[in-house]
Amino acid sequence: RKEVEQDPGPFNVPEGATVAFNCTYSNSASQSFFWYRQDCRKEPKLLMSVYSSGNEDGRFTAQLNRASQYISLLIRDSKLSDSATYLCVVLYSNSGYALNFGKGTSLLVTP
Amino acid sequence: DAGVTQSPTHLIKTRGQQVTLRCSPKSGHDTVSWYQQALGQGPQFIFQYYEEEERQRGNFPDRFSGHQFPNYSSELNVNALLLGDSALYLCASSEGANTEAFFGQGTRLTVV
Repeated sequence: RKEVEQDPGPFNVPEGATVAFNCTYSNSASQSFFWYRQDCRKEPKLLMSVYSSGNEDGRFTAQLNRASQYISLLIRDSKLSDSATYLCVVLYSNSGYALNFGKGTSLLVTP
Repeated sequence: DAGVTQSPTHLIKTRGQQVTLRCSPKSGHDTVSWYQQALGQGPQFIFQYYEEEERQRGNFPDRFSGHQFPNYSSELNVNALLLGDSALYLCASSEGANTEAFFGQGTRLTVV
């Protein structure tokens, strides 16, 4: 079982739609959580960190449920430019400094 | 600020050969990590270097080795290449271990 699992995707949504991605992690010794965005054939870039109380950055909202070991990302009012792969990332307190990535969920926003 | 730079961007090698990939960290960053990303997968941690020492290693065979230089730049070496080593190799730098990691554009290695 992979340590970080994400929705298989791909998600195809029209512009303006709201879309949600889910992620579960298996190691309870978790420390930090992130969502990264990766465009086709490019490097991953940090989209946002995920805090215990939940956090919002413009159209993006991240939620964390430590009891269920579950992370989510909500994108409101989708734009064509949101098309990318979204990677759920967990840093475990007992695994040093390695970022643990999910496989990613592909999002395609269509006109 | 040039950000994290990697070279080369693309590389084709034959099975059994050896390869060296290079990474220059973002200015002010002292920690370099290497990841392997196979097609359709998330990046997998190979190892991290800090103060010219390998600080942590992921689940990769000894064929994968690295080095960090006094200027914080780093190399990833892979010996006895296998077809399965074909992947995008990403370098990430950070200021210390637990601050935001910035990724380079990667080196796409194809083993034939």
